[in-house]
Amino acid sequence: DIQMTQSPSSLSASVGDRVTITCRASQNVGNYLNWYQQKPGKAPKLLIHSASNLQTGVPSRFSGDGSGTDFTLAIDSLQPEDFATYHCQQSDSSPWTFGQGTKVEIK
Amino acid sequence: QPQLQESGPGLVKPSETLSLTCNVSGGSISDTTYYWAWIRQSPGKGLEWLGSVFHTGITFYTPSLESRLTLSVDTSMNQFSLRLHSVTAADSALYFCARHLNPTVFGIVPFDYWGRGILITVSS
Repeated sequence: DIQMTQSPSSLSASVGDRVTITCRASQNVGNYLNWYQQKPGKAPKLLIHSASNLQTGVPSRFSGDGSGTDFTLAIDSLQPEDFATYHCQQSDSSPWTFGQGTKVEIK
Repeated sequence: QPQLQESGPGLVKPSETLSLTCNVSGGSISDTTYYWAWIRQSPGKGLEWLGSVFHTGITFYTPSLESRLTLSVDTSMNQFSLRLHSVTAADSALYFCARHLNPTVFGIVPFDYWGRGILITVSS
């Protein structure tokens, strides 16, 4: 199985900050990397697919980059509604696997 | 937009079979564009994809659960189901159903619509 490792596991930030989350795959997944946002008690919401493609309706302050084994999710000008947990997921090969999540908390 | 809703018992005894159903509305489960999946989330393991099913009944599973997991689809009811046999406490989790693109056609597999999840506890 491909292991997905996110860093950091949690971070504290203020409204208006730029935040970057990293996801590393244990082997090359090309650009088959997706990002999700999850709020407490809710299902994950797809933010970005194929490493850098914004899902319809997702604000443009979210962006994704990377290919191969190293990927980043960036949030420009963090908004109050962005405090949540973010997960990466590889869809290069089955079984499709997720990172352990990064919790973005209010400083 | 499709809506997915999980249903099933909240409590299952060890060694018994967990049965869950996901009802799909706002779209046809027979749409060849999509597969239908089960994903679970437990505090210790994060999100875990369990398996996916196509409207024809084609399935694929995560290897670690393949011997205990059965997915099926009922196109007449527009729903799909999970059966997980011989459950233990380690199977306690929040179970989600979700939709993803047909990987044989599109390659990419983002889970674009999810149910709200159902909490399953395995305990005697």
